[in-house]
Amino acid sequence: NAGVTQTPKFQVLKTGQSMTLQCAQDMNHNSMYWYRQDPGMGLRLIYYSASEGTTDKGEVPNGYNVSRLNKREFSLRLESAAPSQTSVYFCASSTRGPGSGANVLTFGAGSRLTVL
Amino acid sequence: QQPVQSPQAVILREGEDAVINCSSSKALYSVHWYRQKHGEAPVFLMILLKGGEQKGHEKISASFNEKKQQSSLYLTASQLSYSGTYFCGTAQETSGSRLTFGEGTQLTVNP
Repeated sequence: NAGVTQTPKFQVLKTGQSMTLQCAQDMNHNSMYWYRQDPGMGLRLIYYSASEGTTDKGEVPNGYNVSRLNKREFSLRLESAAPSQTSVYFCASSTRGPGSGANVLTFGAGSRLTVL
Repeated sequence: QQPVQSPQAVILREGEDAVINCSSSKALYSVHWYRQKHGEAPVFLMILLKGGEQKGHEKISASFNEKKQQSSLYLTASQLSYSGTYFCGTAQETSGSRLTFGEGTQLTVNP
């Protein structure tokens, strides 16, 4: 099983450019998440999708949009990239929903994004 | 609200023990522990639910004191493979509470 697959692994953008990070999971999980990881700040939730057809904002949603394309796929879009969005982005999925308190996350390998 | 982890970093020799702490100012429903090796994705270690239980995973165990809103991760007889950054994630005792991660503790085990 592949688990959670993210593409691309690396991307360099210029300020103002747009891009989409793709995420797919093959574990039949209901919930999917996008986190960003910055040095010394742990993992911060950008957006999540508790189930197919729903999306909600996390801690740091500004500058991002998401689409839950189907149960397997959850994409993250940067419409106009800014240097502050330079980060490592992780997609994750879980069987249980984010409000259960018991949602064990399976993470993808990460996407390193640099905005110049 | 982000939990607070301590210490921020620890360096051990192989075979030594370590304790990583995680505390919150809010009442907690659960505490999750993840380990991330350099350049890799975080990997789930264990989850502790309200009830003050202790769990173990080989020589890594954890406790959860719900009254103090604290959890501790115990690494016994550390191995080189234990090196990495350890994150605790906490879910508060309110309905619909999402997981919030601490800043991480960097553990280095040297030969």
